[in-house]
This record gives sequence, C-alpha cells and structure tokens, in this order.
Amino acid sequence: SQQGEEDPQALSIQEGENATMNCSYKTSINNLQWYRQNSGRGLVHLILIRSNEREKHSGRLRVTLDTSKKSSSLLITASRAADTASYFCATARIQGAQKLVFGQGTRLTINP
Amino acid sequence: DTAVSQTPKYLVTQMGNDKSIKCEQNLGHDTMYWYKQDSKKFLKIMFSYNNKELIINETVPNRFSPKSPDKAHLNLHINSLELGDSAVYFCASAELPSSGNTIYFGEGSWLTVV
Repeated sequence: SQQGEEDPQALSIQEGENATMNCSYKTSINNLQWYRQNSGRGLVHLILIRSNEREKHSGRLRVTLDTSKKSSSLLITASRAADTASYFCATARIQGAQKLVFGQGTRLTINP
Repeated sequence: DTAVSQTPKYLVTQMGNDKSIKCEQNLGHDTMYWYKQDSKKFLKIMFSYNNKELIINETVPNRFSPKSPDKAHLNLHINSLELGDSAVYFCASAELPSSGNTIYFGEGSWLTVV
C-alpha cells in the first residue's frame, strides 16, 4: 500500500519552539501534500511538493522531500498555540485520477 | 462563504436505517470526493466524481451509493446502516481530477450508528 506514515504520532512542545514531523511512504508518487486538521474540523491544505522538488517554503512552514528514501518532513518554525492540530501527509500517485492516500497523522500540541 | 458545505454535521441513527449526507461546493470545481475518517483518524477515499461522472470507486460496500445530480453536488446515501459505519465522512472538491490539484475539504459529517 502507498499509505503514508507520520512520525511521531504525537508531539508536544513549548510555544516558540520548532516542530518537526516526518512522513514515509511506500511507492512512487507524483506529489506529496500536507494537511492540517483542527479538532472537530475538516482538513486544510497547507503545502504541496512535487516529486521533482526537494524543498518548499510557505510562511513558517518548510517541507522537504527525499524520493530516494520515500520520506518527507514538515517543519513549523516559531510555533504558536494556534498551530495545535493534527497534521497529515498525503501522497498522490503518478497516473490516473488524483487519489490522495493519507497517513494517520501527527497530533501536535503547542503549550503556552 | 463556505466553499464545501455538507449536511448534516452530526447524525445519530439506529442500525438498519437508511441515511443521506449532502454536499455542495461553490468553487466551480469539476471534481468532488467522499472520504471516510475512522476512529483511528485514518482517512480513506471512497468515491470521486468528475463532472457528474464516477471516476474513482474504492472497495466500499454497495450499501454506499453516491449520487451527483450536477457537478456542484455530491450526495452520499447509505442503506442498512451498520455499527461499523460510524465515522466522520468528509466531502471534498478539486478544480480538476488530475494529480496536483489542491483538494478542499468540507467540515465533516459525524455519523454515529447505535
């Protein structure tokens, strides 16, 4: 299965610290996406990185992709209490209609 | 303005009942999806429609039947509900069905079967 796996499953840090979450997957992909889900809410798209890209930035977010290791990381710098949420990586296959395959997510808690 | 809206947000129903969840998107997208999130937070795709045509149909019991009356709507009907159907169901949309298009999710519908 192509299912992504996030690591760690839960992460608790102090406000202002950086948070790093990792994602591993099993098959070749077209792109990898990161989503955030606040408790009781839907998923919000954060960033997409294509298979031919190695790093991407968006505000306080930095995503890396290593296709040789089939892994990605999401770094949130200068964390805020509002960053508390679950973060999911999702992979998209190379051919055919887009069918995102999600991991189980990392539950991030930012302590004030 | 809600981009992808689904109703109801919460639904508690008895085993054996038939229920529907409705979804509408006002983004002008061609593609819509239904995803299911289980109690362990795993999200799995169920169906995808592109301009009213079914393009992805995962291994889902045939008690689940999606219907797309037009490209802005994708409803999910579930017959003979079972305890295991309890989950959060997310509707989503994307401009196009091809890979790389950002997917916009609704807020979810919490289904509890008792």
